Amino acid sequence: LAKTTQPISMDSYEGQEVNITCSHNNIATNDYITWYQQFPSQGPRFIIQGYKTKVTNEVASLFIPADRKSSTLSLPRVSLSDTAVYYCLYSRTDKLIFGTGTRLQVFP
Amino acid sequence: GAVVSQHPSWVICKSGTSVKIECRSLDFQATTMFWYRQFPKQSLMLMATSNEGSKATYEQGVEKDKFLINHASLTLSTLTVTSAHPEDSSFYICSALGGDQETQYFGPGTRLLVL
Repeated sequence: LAKTTQPISMDSYEGQEVNITCSHNNIATNDYITWYQQFPSQGPRFIIQGYKTKVTNEVASLFIPADRKSSTLSLPRVSLSDTAVYYCLYSRTDKLIFGTGTRLQVFP
Repeated sequence: GAVVSQHPSWVICKSGTSVKIECRSLDFQATTMFWYRQFPKQSLMLMATSNEGSKATYEQGVEKDKFLINHASLTLSTLTVTSAHPEDSSFYICSALGGDQETQYFGPGTRLLVL
């Protein structure tokens, strides 16, 4: 299974909007795109999942273009507590392959 | 909803002993659970897929006789690290497939230190 590609790290300041883009060129028709957040020494936490166009929940938005070969996680007005590693994956019932993730550092 | 627990949260053991880690889905039934391992500053690596009532499927390079997996019920999967060695020291994380059959929910992880 091919891994996704995302920036290794990003820096931001409190109150800013953060957009993390992920490439998944080999995504299959039945695959969903899922984003997880992981703090040190904790298991990943589900953030958002989508199939196409735009999905929004109480913590984030997910934008997926028509070709579905990429997706963008949008975090509105980040705070210090959003400092974490963010993983983009495409999910099926069989298994997930984690890439390197994006290490987001939020500064005051 | 969709809460997954792990026990213990951390364990220290002597080299050569066996350690059992439990993974439970607290508020949903999970026919499929997964076990991952994560070394410091690295990403999660899938070790095996655990299906209730059947044998686990191991990823390439993972020794099935060393990492015994049992998924005896729809809410419990266990990982036993047999004859542990210091190189087995790692962060072990389980996940359970939710009712939508699309989303994995992760446990908090178990830190294993083998002396």
